[in-house]
Amino acid sequence: GDSVTQMEGPVTLSEEAFLTINCTYTATGYPSLFWYVQYPGEGLQLLLKATKADDKGSNKGFEATYRKETTSFHLEKGSVQVSDSAVYFCALRSSSARQLTFGSGTQLTVLP
Amino acid sequence: NAGVTQTPKFQVLKTGQSMTLQCAQDMNHNSMYWYRQDPGMGLRLIYYSASEGTTDKGEVPNGYNVSRLNKREFSLRLESAAPSQTSVYFCASSEDGITQETQYFGPGTRLLVL
Repeated sequence: GDSVTQMEGPVTLSEEAFLTINCTYTATGYPSLFWYVQYPGEGLQLLLKATKADDKGSNKGFEATYRKETTSFHLEKGSVQVSDSAVYFCALRSSSARQLTFGSGTQLTVLP
Repeated sequence: NAGVTQTPKFQVLKTGQSMTLQCAQDMNHNSMYWYRQDPGMGLRLIYYSASEGTTDKGEVPNGYNVSRLNKREFSLRLESAAPSQTSVYFCASSEDGITQETQYFGPGTRLLVL
């Protein structure tokens, strides 16, 4: 079945540091890939997505590239801010499934 | 636009009690979903509704029932709550349920079963 493996946290960085959160997946066919962010006390919000191989999703300085050859969708940001502190979820949806399949989430804390 | 709203925000139940979690969306979406979030496990689908009048089981449906009351509302019922149902519950919606579509999430209901 479909699965998502995500870098375990928690991750603690200083402001302006470079961020990478690794995500790899197993799925049939050609899934769509997503990064969702959950700020404290809130629901999940879509951060970015990519729907086919080599697509790059980007939003708010975050980027992720759909790499079919390595089945990966790593999240990166060049310079994190304190306001980026949140839990980040990698997810996929294959054409055969109704639901999103989520990774376990990575807690990011950015210190001033 | 309120998006996806959920009530209540927080609930404490005793084992064996029943309750209904409410969800409504104002985006005219056809598909709606109920997920539960447990520590270290991401979100798992409980039930979904592809359109008004239809519901289907997800990954973890045992102990739950759902009702798609109309296009806007999708409720989740626990008939006899168990401690294993302590979790955070999220409702989500999407326009048509196709693969590349974004799902929009509500703020969640935190449930504690004693």
